[in-house]
Amino acid sequence: QVQLVESGGGLVRPGGSLRLSCAASGFTFSDYYMTWIRQAPGKGLEWLSYIGDSGTTIFFADSVKARFTISRDNAKNSLYLQMNSLRAEDTAVYFCAKERYSGYADGIFDSWGQGTLVTVSS
Amino acid sequence: QPVLTQSPSTSGTPGRRVTISCSGGSSNIGRNVVNWYQHLPGTAPKLLIYKNNERPSGVPDRFSGSKSGTSASLAISGLQSEDEANYYCAAWDDSLNGVVFGGGTKVTVL
Repeated sequence: QVQLVESGGGLVRPGGSLRLSCAASGFTFSDYYMTWIRQAPGKGLEWLSYIGDSGTTIFFADSVKARFTISRDNAKNSLYLQMNSLRAEDTAVYFCAKERYSGYADGIFDSWGQGTLVTVSS
Repeated sequence: QPVLTQSPSTSGTPGRRVTISCSGGSSNIGRNVVNWYQHLPGTAPKLLIYKNNERPSGVPDRFSGSKSGTSASLAISGLQSEDEANYYCAAWDDSLNGVVFGGGTKVTVL
């Protein structure tokens, strides 16, 4: 079955960087758009970024566009989120998720990971 | 502030029906499908309803969705204790070129 496992979270100082990973299994990773979504403490879900199946199509939320980078390695079935210039408001659980349909993005996320916690604090 | 508007909470007794509303605009719900997610804290969110009213396999038919204009709703009939969770609506937004979520509605089973 589909499995998504995030890693790389932890405590980082304001202004620092962190790279999150998402290991995928149970489906043909290279066929699907993938996305990152986060949930700050006490808040709702916030979509962050999409990457297309080949990695050439990328969308970002304005809140993180200038600071975060999304990438993927289809040979390793892995998705990444490089986070730079981190702020206290980036403290959240970060989820990776898979699109329901192959080949395009329509915002239907049928599988999610358990999330990895990022804490930005001095 | 979330782009889609949901009431923060609702509640009901076991067996009753509750409805969760989601309000958006012409660039999101007005033009695109609405999807609903169920989330229990500490777990992975779960796709509950997609394309306004479709249920993934394994989702009980107690859950149903609808959309009209720039609003959507999720109904839970025959409320059960395991339905106590947070529910989020979401849709693609053509102006923002990305997905927007509602702020979430916490359902409490009394």
